[in-house]
Amino acid sequence: KNQVEQSPQSLIILEGKNCTLQCNYTVSPFSNLRWYKQDTGRGPVSLTIMTFSENTKSNGRYTATLDADTKQSSLHITASQLSDSASYICVVSKSYGNNRLAFGKGNQVVVIP
Amino acid sequence: DAGITQSPRYKITETGRQVTLMCHQTWSHSYMFWYRQDLGHGLRLIYYSAAADITDKGEVPDGYVVSRSKTENFPLTLESATRSQTSVYFCASSASGVENEQFFGPGTRLTVL
Repeated sequence: KNQVEQSPQSLIILEGKNCTLQCNYTVSPFSNLRWYKQDTGRGPVSLTIMTFSENTKSNGRYTATLDADTKQSSLHITASQLSDSASYICVVSKSYGNNRLAFGKGNQVVVIP
Repeated sequence: DAGITQSPRYKITETGRQVTLMCHQTWSHSYMFWYRQDLGHGLRLIYYSAAADITDKGEVPDGYVVSRSKTENFPLTLESATRSQTSVYFCASSASGVENEQFFGPGTRLTVL
């Protein structure tokens, strides 16, 4: 079973609307959680990183939240733009041990005019 | 200021042939990584390196060989390519630690016939 589950797998939203992407994880012991944005045909780019003590972090129109107790994170996109069309990948790191990185399969977002 | 580059960007080869994918970074980052990305699987770590001459297996290392004689280069070799190795390959680097922000290259699309 994947240690990082993302939902919805894909969604289509109208330009200007908001949307929220979910990331649930079972990774332990937790070190940090990072959201990456991957445009089609390009490598992922980091949007935010959250550690155990952080609940919310923003990067422009992107706001990530973390609930370390329930092991859930969300990425909220405000006032979506066409350039937000991309895959959003949740990556959770372990503090130690083998295979310290666990990747979600991504949320595919399509913004339409 | 090239950052991190991969070559070739596209490669078609035949089953059984040896293929080497190149990765070069100009930041002098300690850590470098190789991933493959397939539909339905997301990003999967093949190998990573913490420094020159130090490499370690990731989640899916079978069929791949890496070396790192210089900090800036991290080539990935498929010794005898198989069709199941058809994928998009991403190289990444980070300044320190697997849990820190990774900077990804543009990817190499490899097709094995």
